[in-house]
Amino acid sequence: AQSVTQPDIHITVSEGASLELRCNYSYGATPYLFWYVQSPGQGLQLLLKYFSGDTLVQGIKGFEAEFKRSQSSFNLRKPSVHWSDAAEYFCAVGQPNAGGTSYGKLTFGQGTILTVHP
Amino acid sequence: DAGVIQSPRHEVTEMGQEVTLRCKPISGHDYLFWYRQTMMRGLELLIYFNNNVPIDDSGMPEDRFSAKMPNASFSTLKIQPSEPRDSAVYFCASSLIWQGAQNYGYTFGSGTRLTVV
Repeated sequence: AQSVTQPDIHITVSEGASLELRCNYSYGATPYLFWYVQSPGQGLQLLLKYFSGDTLVQGIKGFEAEFKRSQSSFNLRKPSVHWSDAAEYFCAVGQPNAGGTSYGKLTFGQGTILTVHP
Repeated sequence: DAGVIQSPRHEVTEMGQEVTLRCKPISGHDYLFWYRQTMMRGLELLIYFNNNVPIDDSGMPEDRFSAKMPNASFSTLKIQPSEPRDSAVYFCASSLIWQGAQNYGYTFGSGTRLTVV
């Protein structure tokens, strides 16, 4: 069964500093990988996704993530954090069905809470 | 598009009462998911539908929970009877069937915060 691990429960950075949030997955084939962000009291919003091709993917709000198959990782990065980036971030993995025609279910990590100091 | 719409936003009920949570998915999406979020257990998938048909309900915690999707534009999650340990935020999400990788990705509603006292 697929699984996702986000090793850091809580990260604090200063505004303007760079950010890297870690995500490791366990899956036997090429995964579909996602990062979502959740602001307080809100639902989850898709930041970016990786399906195939270029292992460095760009997302919204200046975020990017790099898929590293050898490390089973899909870490999220941002070169300069803004106070508005304070939120909880979730990594997720999708598993294709036997025919590869659909990817119904996502498995989410436990989330990483990001605090941004002024 | 108004996105995925959930109602109510907040629900406070007494233990033993029936609770019904509602979800309207994005028009044209044919997958619908119900998740529960708690501090202790994070995001848990309860059940999901494809073309209104339940595909996987293995995450439904017990028989007190039931979900229906009578048509493509409406789904309900019902808890009867409710218990304090059911207190959580319940999210509904919808997705378009994979017709190409670029179409895949859930859209979440804003959630229903349920408190059972």
